[in-house]
Amino acid sequence: SQQGEEDPQALSIQEGENATMNCSYKTSINNLQWYRQNSGRGLVHLILIRSNEREKHSGRLRVTLDTSKKSSSLLITASRAADTASYFCATDPTNDYKLSFGAGTTVTVRA
Amino acid sequence: GAGVSQSPRYKVAKRGQDVALRCDPISGHVSLFWYQQALGQGPEFLTYFQNEAQLDKSGLPSDRFFAERPEGSVSTLKIQRTQQEDSAVYLCASSLYSGEYEQYFGPGTRLTVT
Repeated sequence: SQQGEEDPQALSIQEGENATMNCSYKTSINNLQWYRQNSGRGLVHLILIRSNEREKHSGRLRVTLDTSKKSSSLLITASRAADTASYFCATDPTNDYKLSFGAGTTVTVRA
Repeated sequence: GAGVSQSPRYKVAKRGQDVALRCDPISGHVSLFWYQQALGQGPEFLTYFQNEAQLDKSGLPSDRFFAERPEGSVSTLKIQRTQQEDSAVYLCASSLYSGEYEQYFGPGTRLTVT
């Protein structure tokens, strides 16, 4: 069963715009990770945020985590065509080594 | 190697055939994971190795699924008597250690059972 749930399921934006997607999860976590998957390629790790962190930045990516609401958001600023991909959140429940993924948000960046 | 590699990239099997999917993890990575990804879904955990020991196989859908990592490096996922519901992308990932460390994924093997 999948612990995370991303919202929206799909997102279409113009190049240069920002893209925001959300992830909600069910149980307590040790950390939360975001992955990107391009068509025909494997998952690529984007960013990890620990349960005691509230916000983290990596380049054009900004991730927030609200453990009281069991939710996280991923913001991609100044989007590019190369950002077209599916984005997944994955949780690592406390002391668990198994990643539990959501169904993903499919982002399309139009030139 | 540069990353996790998997072979074959694509496999078509007739229902009832046995298949073997190979994963070469990043050299030195202790942990190895197998995931199954159905179309339009996120990956679902199948099994986990720490070196050659299979510590968790709770995600394997049936006893037709078997995984091994005999020397603590290359791993093989075997599916016996394939069924149509086994059609999916099978992803392998490795990490330096278990727990919070980042998992590095291979490109996957797309299995189609006809």
